[in-house]
Amino acid sequence: EVQLVESGGALLQPGKSLRLSCAASGFKFDDFSMHWVRQPPGKALEWVSGLLPTSAASAYADSVKGRFTISRDNANNFLHLDMLSLRPDDTAIYYCVKTGHTGFFFEFWGPGTLVTVSS
Amino acid sequence: DIVLTQTPVSLSVTPGQPASISCKSSQSLRHYDGTTHLYWYLQRPGRSPQLLIYEVSSRFSGVPDRFSGGGSGTEFTLKISRVEAEDVGIYYCMQSIHVPWTFGQGTKVEIK
Repeated sequence: EVQLVESGGALLQPGKSLRLSCAASGFKFDDFSMHWVRQPPGKALEWVSGLLPTSAASAYADSVKGRFTISRDNANNFLHLDMLSLRPDDTAIYYCVKTGHTGFFFEFWGPGTLVTVSS
Repeated sequence: DIVLTQTPVSLSVTPGQPASISCKSSQSLRHYDGTTHLYWYLQRPGRSPQLLIYEVSSRFSGVPDRFSGGGSGTEFTLKISRVEAEDVGIYYCMQSIHVPWTFGQGTKVEIK
């Protein structure tokens, strides 16, 4: 059974940093691209970042480029998101997402972890 | 960025009746290899999103056959043939042909 469990969400002040992690199990982790998608309270879904299985290439939304870094630990089946210079508009539930067999869609989502940025 | 516009914003449906959601893209979602990268997700209240339809019209594993997707190029539709109580939630279309991958703003489906 596929499981994705995010951790690291917190309440913090603007300008601070945070690392989110996602523990994956139930599938061959290093065969699939992984992504982060976020959802501000009461708002629509927003793709944040994605990473190929070998970490050979990554991509970011313009809103986080230069501040967020996605990485993965294939030996231990973890996905991470390092977030710097957090802003109030980064407040959201952050979902760890596994792609499907083609790599072009989100097959399975974790329950999410809440990041709140507020002074 | 590709903009996906969903209509209607909300929908109230009597159980057993059909429902239809439109998703229009600002650019064609058809890849040169013939694949069209348009997907549909359902987010039930308080839950994570789940995949319903991939590549316009293919139902994901376990999705009831009352859900169907169609369309091409820039115009797409999700149809529910007979709405059931468990279909309540917000439906999102998504494109993945160009980075950044983008979602529609969502269509909220309620039961009358």
